[in-house]
Amino acid sequence: DTEVTQTPKHLVMGMTNKKSLKCEQHMGHRAMYWYKQKAKKPPELMFVYSYEKLSINESVPSRFSPECPNSSLLNLHLHALQPEDSALYLCASSQEPFRTNEKLFFGSGTQLSVL
Amino acid sequence: GEDVEQSLFLSVREGDSSVINCTYTDSSSTYLYWYKQEPGAGLQLLTYIFSNMDMKQDQRLTVLLNKKDKHLSLRIADTQTGDSAIYFCAKEAGTALIFGKGTTLSVSS
Repeated sequence: DTEVTQTPKHLVMGMTNKKSLKCEQHMGHRAMYWYKQKAKKPPELMFVYSYEKLSINESVPSRFSPECPNSSLLNLHLHALQPEDSALYLCASSQEPFRTNEKLFFGSGTQLSVL
Repeated sequence: GEDVEQSLFLSVREGDSSVINCTYTDSSSTYLYWYKQEPGAGLQLLTYIFSNMDMKQDQRLTVLLNKKDKHLSLRIADTQTGDSAIYFCAKEAGTALIFGKGTTLSVSS
């Protein structure tokens, strides 16, 4: 199993809603990542989890709250989002926290629309 | 800061070769990657090269690296319609990857 699975594939939410994005991998990877990608733009790093602990937060607003319940799962809790948060949210994993030639495996993403 | 630049569009005919170019600013030894992204999908790692190598070939894909000019290219031989996608060049930067803006490859039959 070399897949990173993200659910849901599409999500539409209002600005007052609370929702969660989920990511799962069963490759035994100890590093997991959230990236945000706006249309026609490259992915931008949001968070890095290393051994289930948050190691990098790229100054992401608090309306995005990551959680790593165990080594296979990564969640992104969303609350009070803004329309400009609409984007493709990509989860990725790697064997170890990112180091030289540590290949990232990406999920297919959740396409989020905030109304 | 570090930067990765790519041309934005490339259009080729089916069966031709495609060459996607990338330049980067930091010359420290590192790995450079090519990712493919199809519409509405995640990123798929195509290939990678270490900065002390000149070339790497993997089936239809050839990566060329000119370290002096900090220029990286991805050549796709016998381009097919299924190769239509956005191709991202990426470079390691500490704990993250820096991506170029992506090159949209359009393949016409």
